[in-house]
Amino acid sequence: NAGVTQTPKFQVLKTGQSMTLQCAQDMNHEYMSWYRQDPGMGLRLIHYSVGAGITDQGEVPNGYNVSRSTTEDFPLRLLSAAPSQTSVYFCASSYSSTSGRADTQYFGPGTRLTVL
Amino acid sequence: GQNIDQPTEMTATEGAIVQINCTYQTSGFNGLFWYQQHAGEAPTFLSYNVLDGLEEKGRFSSFLSRSKGYSYLLLKELQMKDSASYLCASDLVGQNFVFGPGTRLSVLP
Repeated sequence: NAGVTQTPKFQVLKTGQSMTLQCAQDMNHEYMSWYRQDPGMGLRLIHYSVGAGITDQGEVPNGYNVSRSTTEDFPLRLLSAAPSQTSVYFCASSYSSTSGRADTQYFGPGTRLTVL
Repeated sequence: GQNIDQPTEMTATEGAIVQINCTYQTSGFNGLFWYQQHAGEAPTFLSYNVLDGLEEKGRFSSFLSRSKGYSYLLLKELQMKDSASYLCASDLVGQNFVFGPGTRLSVLP
């Protein structure tokens, strides 16, 4: 049981480049989300999904796109990278959405992104 | 948005007890999570409180007061491996989790 996996672990981009951060879970979780973590600011929600085919914006969605074509996968796309997007990105999943009883979120190992 | 406050840093001695506080806005509040995050690693779940009171789980306990918008994480018999950041997160009805900035705990010998 792999849990939540993320690739790549490290990435360096130049300003204006695009890329996709991959996230996959094998626990059949409905709810998946992407966070970024910056020093002193905690985890901030970028986008989330309550099931395949359904996505919505979180607190800081600008500059990022997501899609959820399958239950297992939830990729995050950076359309045109900017230095302000330098951060650590975490993908997380849980059994249920946060409407109703919340369930524990399981986090992937993170992707450390630097934009030059 | 919802504000969650925690102290930025705390220091304690090996074998001691430390209490990490968290305050949150009560509007739409459903429950409160605590996560542990070692440097360079992902957050891992510690506890989830919905009801008022103290819940004990080994060396770690978590307390919640819904009326005061207040929670704390109590760590007993501190060990060096407890040096980490501790994140509180509120679970809001019909919305998503909101994380606090995290408290970095340093355990000294």
